[in-house]
Amino acid sequence: GQNIDQPTEMTATEGAIVQINCTYQTSGFNGLFWYQQHAGEAPTFLSYNVLDGLEEKGRFSSFLSRSKGYSYLLLKELQMKDSASYLCAVPGGPWDQAGTALIFGKGTTLSVSS
Amino acid sequence: DGGITQSPKYLFRKEGQNVTLSCEQNLNHDAMYWYRQDPGQGLRLIYYSQIVNDFQKGDIAEGYSVSREKKESFPLTVTSAQKNPTAFYLCASNSGQGNYEQYFGPGTRLTVT
Repeated sequence: GQNIDQPTEMTATEGAIVQINCTYQTSGFNGLFWYQQHAGEAPTFLSYNVLDGLEEKGRFSSFLSRSKGYSYLLLKELQMKDSASYLCAVPGGPWDQAGTALIFGKGTTLSVSS
Repeated sequence: DGGITQSPKYLFRKEGQNVTLSCEQNLNHDAMYWYRQDPGQGLRLIYYSQIVNDFQKGDIAEGYSVSREKKESFPLTVTSAQKNPTAFYLCASNSGQGNYEQYFGPGTRLTVT
C-alpha cells in the first residue's frame, strides 16, 4: 500500500536553511509533489519530481531518490512568511485505478522565528 | 480569471442535518476531487470524479455523497451519517489523463454542533 512519512514539526530562524524530509512507499511511482499550506488556506504547488536528482526553483529546491523512496524540500534564506505546513504527496491509492488522486503525508509544520 | 471556487468559506450546522458544500471550476478540467483535513493531519481523499456522471470513493467516503452532473461542478453532501463532520474541506481539480498536479479551491470550514 501507500505510506508517506514526514516530520511533524520543525523550527528555524530567519536567514537559515532548512531541509524537510519525506519517505514514501508506493506500489507504483508517478512522481512526488511538495505543497505549501498556510493555516486555514488551500495548499499551493511548490514542486513535482519524477526523476532522481535536485531541482532548484529560487529559494526552494526539491530532491528525489526513487531507489531510496526519499525526497526532501530545501528552503534557503528563510523568511517569516515561510512559516507554514509543507505537504509531501504522491499520486495513486488502493482505490484509485487511474492513479490521479494524491495521497498526502500529514505535513511538516515549519515555524520560522526572528 | 480561471480557478476553483468553494462556498461558503465558513459553514455552521446543527448535528443531524445534511449540508452540501459547493465546488465550481472554470479550468475545463476533467477530474475533480474532495479532500478532508483535520487539525495536524494531511489531506484525506473523500471522493473523486474523472468524468461527468462518474465518481469513485476515496479513502473515507462513508457518510458523504457527491454528484457530477456538469463538468464544472462537483458538490459534496455531508450527511448525518458522518460521525465527525467538523473539518476543513478542500476541493481540487486537474486535467486528468496522466496530469497529476492538482489545483485547489480556498476550502470550506464546516463546524457541526
